Parts: sequence; C-alpha cells; structure tokens
Amino acid sequence: DVKVTQSSRYLVKRTGEKVFLECVQDMDHENMFWYRQDPGLGLRLIYFSYDVKMKEKGDIPEGYSVSREKKERFSLILESASTNQTSMYLCASKPGQSSIRYTFGSGTRLTVV
Amino acid sequence: ILNVEQSPQSLHVQEGDSTNFTCSFPSSNFYALHWYRWETAKSPEALFVMTLNGDEKKKGRISATLNTKEGYSYLYIKGSQPEDSATYLCAPTRAGGTSYGKLTFGQGTILTVHP
Repeated sequence: DVKVTQSSRYLVKRTGEKVFLECVQDMDHENMFWYRQDPGLGLRLIYFSYDVKMKEKGDIPEGYSVSREKKERFSLILESASTNQTSMYLCASKPGQSSIRYTFGSGTRLTVV
Repeated sequence: ILNVEQSPQSLHVQEGDSTNFTCSFPSSNFYALHWYRWETAKSPEALFVMTLNGDEKKKGRISATLNTKEGYSYLYIKGSQPEDSATYLCAPTRAGGTSYGKLTFGQGTILTVHP
C-alpha cells in the first residue's frame, strides 16, 4: 500500500515563527498536494507539485510556500506563522496527471499561538 | 475556484436510520466525482470514484449515484451504524489543460450516528 506520512500529528508554534510541515510518500508518485481544512470550509488546496522542483499555487497560497527537492518529499512552509493559519493540514499524492487515485496522509493539526 | 456545495452541513441520526447527502458541482468540463469518508485522526478513505452519467456504485450499506448533466451526486447510507460517524466529502475533478486532476472539495457533511 502507498503510504503518505506527515511528520507531526500535532504542532504548536508561536506567531512569527517559520514553520515546516513535511510530507513523504513511498510509491514514486509524481503529483503531491497540500490542503488545509477549516470548519465549514472543507478542504482547500494551498499548493501542489506535479514533479520534482515544479509547483503551482492552489486556491489559497497566500502566506505559504512549498519545496519539492526530491520526488518523495513535499514540504509546506509558513514563512511567518500567524494565528489565522491555525488549521488541520493534509498532504496527498497520486501517481501522475492522468491518475485520479489519491492517497492522503493523516493530517497535522497546527496551532499558532 | 470551482463551486462545490454539500448539504446538509451536519446530520445527527439514530442507529438503524437510513440517510442521504447531496453534492452539487459545475457540470462543465466534468471528469470524475470522488466521495471520501474522513474519520477523526485518520486519513480520508476513498469510497467511490464515478465518471459516467447515471453511474451507481455500492459498497456494503453505502451507495452513490451521479448525474453529470445537472451536476449532482447523492450518497446513501442504509441502516446507519455508530461506526459510520465521520465527515463525508465530495470532490469533482475537471478534464483537460493543467488541471492535473486536482480535487476541489465541498465543505463536507458531518454525520453523527447515535446508538
């Protein structure tokens, strides 16, 4: 089975800190995605990467950046964490552009105080 | 941004009740419609992926239908059990271009089944 692993289940950070959320998949998937989930708003796409070193903005990229130096790892970076970035962050991957079979991680609950 | 609406936002039912949720989405450039179940502290679990108008899929007590022409899908749960308690998410994907099969989720329906 494909595994998508997010490095932390719970994270508490201070306002203004630089925060890295890590996601690793073990099945050579080309496409990787970062979503955040907020009550009443569902899952919203922040950024995605369709290949190594390639990235595109999703629907809510403001305040975030990403890094994909290796195929298996996709990092979400909060340059200067703010309280409105307190959320559940979910990583996902899929084999390639034509595939519609996603695999999700179990999420990172980030609290910014 | 694709507009995907799910209703109701939350639902409380008794064990044994049957229930259903709605997902509506734009019908243009439709490629596929996904249903996921997301339980607390777990990864979202794929229930169904449907692509054809009129598709009906079934998995145990859960079934789903798809109408791509009018842009809606229904998810049905027959004889709800407490273990069905979860957030149910739908997400269409669009065809072509640089869509990369991106999922655009609705806000979800939170189902609570009381024993």
